[in-house]
Amino acid sequence: QVQLVQSGAEVKKPGSSVKVSCKASGGTFTTYAISWVRQAPGQGLEWMGSIIPMFGTPNYAPKLQGRVTITADESTSTGYMELSSLRSEDTALYYCARQGGPGNAFEIWGEGTRVTVSS
Amino acid sequence: DIQMTQSPSSVSASIGDRVTITCRASQGISSWLAWYQQKPGKAPNLLIHSASSLQSGVPSRFSGSGSGTDFTLTISSLQPEDFATYYCQQASSFPYTFGQGTRLEI
Repeated sequence: QVQLVQSGAEVKKPGSSVKVSCKASGGTFTTYAISWVRQAPGQGLEWMGSIIPMFGTPNYAPKLQGRVTITADESTSTGYMELSSLRSEDTALYYCARQGGPGNAFEIWGEGTRVTVSS
Repeated sequence: DIQMTQSPSSVSASIGDRVTITCRASQGISSWLAWYQQKPGKAPNLLIHSASSLQSGVPSRFSGSGSGTDFTLTISSLQPEDFATYYCQQASSFPYTFGQGTRLEI
């Protein structure tokens, strides 16, 4: 069974960058899309972007275009999401999720990585 | 962007009740619609994909219907473990978007 294991919590200063990892184990990595979804405290879910590792070209949410970079390393079955120019509004739980099965839904999720932006 | 609007934003119900949550897309998305359940402190869990297909392992009291712009999630007989927040999500086109969520309370 595929599992997605994310990196640990981060505390960052405003204006800095954060890079979160998502390692897949137990199944195919390269042919499924990996998406990143975030959730601010007490708020709903926001899709940030996605990548299919074997193709390598990401798609990004327009709101985050220019600040977010999503990559994947096929050799280690690991996806990455880097967010730059951090501000307090970026404080959230960041999830990776695998999609590409029937309906293109987010079928498998990581446990989430808490990112706190504070001076 | 395709806007997803859920209603109600919250609902109170009792064990054994039948509950329906509605999701409307701002433009047609065929059957590219998924439903998720999220409990506090946990990642979302896929319930329904392709508008009406039950994800493996999900109890049959959950069902989905609709196509185009109007969709529903129905829980036929509420169980204690069903009290959570539910989200719809369109997988038709980028950027993928979620509804604002429906909180199901006792």
